[in-house]
Amino acid sequence: AQKVTQAQTEISVVEKEDVTLDCVYETRDTTYYLFWYKQPPSGELVFLIRRNSFDEQNEISGRYSWNFQKSTSSFNFTITASQVVDSAVYFCALGNTDKLIFGTGTRLQVFP
Amino acid sequence: DVKVTQSSRYLVKRTGEKVFLECVQDMDHENMFWYRQDPGLGLRLIYFSYDVKMKEKGDIPEGYSVSREKKERFSLILESASTNQTSMYLCASSLPGQPFYLGLVNYGYTFGSGTRLTVV
Repeated sequence: AQKVTQAQTEISVVEKEDVTLDCVYETRDTTYYLFWYKQPPSGELVFLIRRNSFDEQNEISGRYSWNFQKSTSSFNFTITASQVVDSAVYFCALGNTDKLIFGTGTRLQVFP
Repeated sequence: DVKVTQSSRYLVKRTGEKVFLECVQDMDHENMFWYRQDPGLGLRLIYFSYDVKMKEKGDIPEGYSVSREKKERFSLILESASTNQTSMYLCASSLPGQPFYLGLVNYGYTFGSGTRLTVV
């Protein structure tokens, strides 16, 4: 069975702090994909990143970075120098070719 | 700009009513999905469809049905709404994924803005 665990229900930080959102997954598939989505207050989930199970290179996109470690089945997301606009619910997801299984989400609040 | 459009942002219905939630996408995607989102439970898959007139049960199909008569439209039906179906409903679409050996990827989903349904 596949499962995604986001143990942090809610995180609060002050602007400019760095913050890491944890994601741990379980799967028996050898080929799979991992995703992060952002859900701002408007409600629409916005795609942030996709990784496949064969690519463990870390990725950086501006203030966002992702650390994928198969050895610990984790795909953590770090926001550097957080901003108020980063306040949202963030979901980690796992899938093979079509269906995605989502974690329960982490609500990030960034205070000015 | 590509889009997944859900017909209603907010909806209030009475217990026992038959409720239709509509979702339309303009990206010519084969796959369409209905999820519900509840606090502490994340997104849970209700139904999905890989093609017109095809449907598959997700993890929580009880109390729901779906209809996909046209490729661009995927409707979620609550046959007899109940208060425990009060939730945020999210529609999504995607291109069909391919296994690695074909060299393509799971493209991920494009989501609609959601319909917040309250059943009273």
